Amino acid sequence: DAGITQSPRYKITETGRQVTLMCHQTWSHSYMFWYRQDLGHGLRLIYYSAAADITDKGEVPDGYVVSRSKTENFPLTLESATRSQTSVYFCASRAGPETQYFGPGTRLLVL
Amino acid sequence: DQQVKQNSPSLSVQEGRISILNCDYTNSMFDYFLWYKKYPAEGPTFLISISSIKDKNEDGRFTVFLNKSAKHLSLHIVPSQPGDSAVYFCAASAGNTDKLIFGTGTRLQVFP
Repeated sequence: DAGITQSPRYKITETGRQVTLMCHQTWSHSYMFWYRQDLGHGLRLIYYSAAADITDKGEVPDGYVVSRSKTENFPLTLESATRSQTSVYFCASRAGPETQYFGPGTRLLVL
Repeated sequence: DQQVKQNSPSLSVQEGRISILNCDYTNSMFDYFLWYKKYPAEGPTFLISISSIKDKNEDGRFTVFLNKSAKHLSLHIVPSQPGDSAVYFCAASAGNTDKLIFGTGTRLQVFP
């Protein structure tokens, strides 16, 4: 299917565990982004990538790691999950200068 | 420091009437503004945008107005339909960055 997909859609984990959220896009967009959505905060940028092997921090990068070995994939890893990382995570990719296309989201619960 | 603010967490409008969603920003370097719509359990979808060289952009029932001197933009939906019920996010970017800054969102409910 064309577009942007995220997996898993739902994840429950425990404090201290490592978790990886996957993002895959079929458009070959250069830019990819990871956001988290929390009540009262809207969408906050965690990390973004301008191309394969190029990544940069967003507003809230602490506790997260990203990699981009291939253009189409942009995984987000929580190295040691904390309860404050309970959130809904959205991946996005960019076509034009600013318009971003979002995946369906991953709902993560850290117990 | 919230650079993009949506001060109304929610808005309720009758079907057929106008919905007006507001957004304020503080960074004068912002030169491109977007509105995204989000349904529950889905990702945000792009709705409409406006460049700072314009003060209005229209697309069907949706019109975005930009007042640069007031650092304010608004989204008008006319006429409102029940399917417009969603959370609307305002976003902004500065030309020299790759990032969008989002507001906190406004939940619109359109009732019959």
